[in-house]
Amino acid sequence: RKEVEQDPGPFNVPEGATVAFNCTYSNSASQSFFWYRQDCRKEPKLLMSVYSSGNEDGRFTAQLNRASQYISLLIRDSKLSDSATYLCVVNTQNQGGKLIFGQGTELSVKP
Amino acid sequence: ETGVTQSPTHLIKTRGQQVTLRCSSQSGHNTVSWYQQALGQGPQFIFQYYREEENGRGNFPPRFSGLQFPNYSSELNVNALELDDSALYLCASSQAPSTDTQYFGPGTRLTVL
Repeated sequence: RKEVEQDPGPFNVPEGATVAFNCTYSNSASQSFFWYRQDCRKEPKLLMSVYSSGNEDGRFTAQLNRASQYISLLIRDSKLSDSATYLCVVNTQNQGGKLIFGQGTELSVKP
Repeated sequence: ETGVTQSPTHLIKTRGQQVTLRCSSQSGHNTVSWYQQALGQGPQFIFQYYREEENGRGNFPPRFSGLQFPNYSSELNVNALELDDSALYLCASSQAPSTDTQYFGPGTRLTVL
């Protein structure tokens, strides 16, 4: 079983749609959680950290359920510029700086 | 931009050859982590360097090795290249080994023929 698993995608949605990405992680000792965005053939960039209380940044909302070991990302009113691959990332403190990435979910927003 | 630079941007090698990839960390960062990203997959942790020593390693064979220099820049060396080594190699710098926030460079795309 992979340490971090995401919806396989791709997701093809029209502009303005709401889209949700799901992610599960296997190590209950995981302590830090993130969503990264990766544009085609570019490096991953931090989109947002994910906190137990849930957090929002504009059109983006991230949720964490530690009991279920589940992380989500919701994008509202999607824009063409949101088209990218979204990576769910976990860090377990006793593994130092090792970030564990899911395989990514590709999003394509169409006009 | 993150301030993390990598060279070269692209590289083509043949099986059995050796390759060296380079990374300059962001100013003030003393830790560099290396990741391999195969096509269609998420990045996989190779190893991390802190104060010139390896500080954690992922599930990669010994032919993957690295160095960190006093200025905190780093190299990734891969010997006896295999076709499956074709990937995007990313380095990420951070202020400390346990710091969650890592800043990625643009990557080096390696193709092994």
